[in-house]
Amino acid sequence: EIVLTQSPGTLSLSPGERATLSCRASQSVSRSYLAWYQQKPGQAPRLLIFDASSRATGIPDRFSGSGSGTDFTLTISRLEAEDFAVYFCQQYARPPLTFGGGTKVEIK
Amino acid sequence: QITLKESGSTLVKPTQTLTLTCTLSGFSLRSNGVGVGWIRQPPGKALEWLALIYWDDDKRYSPSLQSRLTITKDTSKNQVVLTMSNMDPVDTGTYYCARRGGSSNWFPPTFDSWGQGTLVTVSS
Repeated sequence: EIVLTQSPGTLSLSPGERATLSCRASQSVSRSYLAWYQQKPGQAPRLLIFDASSRATGIPDRFSGSGSGTDFTLTISRLEAEDFAVYFCQQYARPPLTFGGGTKVEIK
Repeated sequence: QITLKESGSTLVKPTQTLTLTCTLSGFSLRSNGVGVGWIRQPPGKALEWLALIYWDDDKRYSPSLQSRLTITKDTSKNQVVLTMSNMDPVDTGTYYCARRGGSSNWFPPTFDSWGQGTLVTVSS
């Protein structure tokens, strides 16, 4: 199965700053079938990005995704208060679908 | 409005079987292309996909848990049921059901709507 490694484990930033989150796959993710989810404490995950760079319905344009092959990035251009959360990547190029371990974005 | 709601056992003894139900609203299991999956999350840990069922009764399972899982659907009630046998304390966590959506990829999919989750504790 494809193992996804997210880094850093924790990102400490201030509101207004730019956040860059990494997701590295153990094998190439074909067709860039890589998604990103946001999860806040006590809540279910929310789909942000699919197909590496397509924003899901209702997701603000400060969230963007990029990458291909084994290296993918989620960028939040200017952090707002509601963006402090845990972010997971997910690959769906090859079964079984797998998730990364998550990156926590916390207020500095 | 699309909603999913999990219900079922919240406290299970080791070796027992867990049964969870996901009740859907705002979309139908009879509709072409609909898929509903189960994903779990141990406390403070990452997400793990368990199983998925499609509108046409196509079923998919995580290879590592396949022997313990059964997923079924009741279209008359618009519900999806997951059973997991031989429960162990390591199976403790929040169990989510979620709807296939986002990417157009058939399998594996992405999930665009999730239930609130139900905490399952395995303890004697």
